[in-house]
Amino acid sequence: DAGVTQSPTHLIKTRGQQVTLRCSPISGHKSVSWYQQVLGQGPQFIFQYYEKEERGRGNFPDRFSARQFPNYSSELNVNALLLGDSALYLCASSLVLGGFGTDTQYFGPGTRLTVL
Amino acid sequence: SQKIEQNSEALNIQEGKTATLTCNYTNYSPAYLQWYRQDPGRGPVFLLLIRENEKEKRKERLKVTFDTTLKQSLFHITASQPADSATYLCALDLSGNTPLVFGKGTRLSVIA
Repeated sequence: DAGVTQSPTHLIKTRGQQVTLRCSPISGHKSVSWYQQVLGQGPQFIFQYYEKEERGRGNFPDRFSARQFPNYSSELNVNALLLGDSALYLCASSLVLGGFGTDTQYFGPGTRLTVL
Repeated sequence: SQKIEQNSEALNIQEGKTATLTCNYTNYSPAYLQWYRQDPGRGPVFLLLIRENEKEKRKERLKVTFDTTLKQSLFHITASQPADSATYLCALDLSGNTPLVFGKGTRLSVIA
């Protein structure tokens, strides 16, 4: 069975541009979460979606937005890119919205975004 | 806000020895604590979860302890192998329904 997939693998953008990252969860998983991982740091929570609704949002500016589609795949959009947005963006899927602590999250390989 | 510290950025040990990684937190004790493994350029992989009312959890060569008095979790890998070399992350969930807060991770190198 396929794991969480993300596209693209790598992306290079310039400041001020916009980017869209994509995630397909494990089949049957209805919850998708997005994390930002800056080099040398742990992942930082951005959003969680469940059944196409936003269920949680981390401390990120409004330049960050996301959505979940009927097939449970998800997109993360970042507008007006800054140099500090350079990071590995991780998507994680889980079976249900059972609480982060008890519901195992399965991470994708991530999208490496470089902003020049 | 909740702060997490993993004892060191890097840890080198000899093959066959037990690796012990530390995760300390401040403020409130989390309802759940998880440990993940992350290889370079890959996403984290879930290893173990321990609840606040559990003292210890084991899975094969892995053992996690949780001491709410010390506000600390220890992660042990017994009979370590070079293939165990990776970054290990601890993550806290304060209430069971809040986003995970990750530590920076500890990069473990097992030397043959």
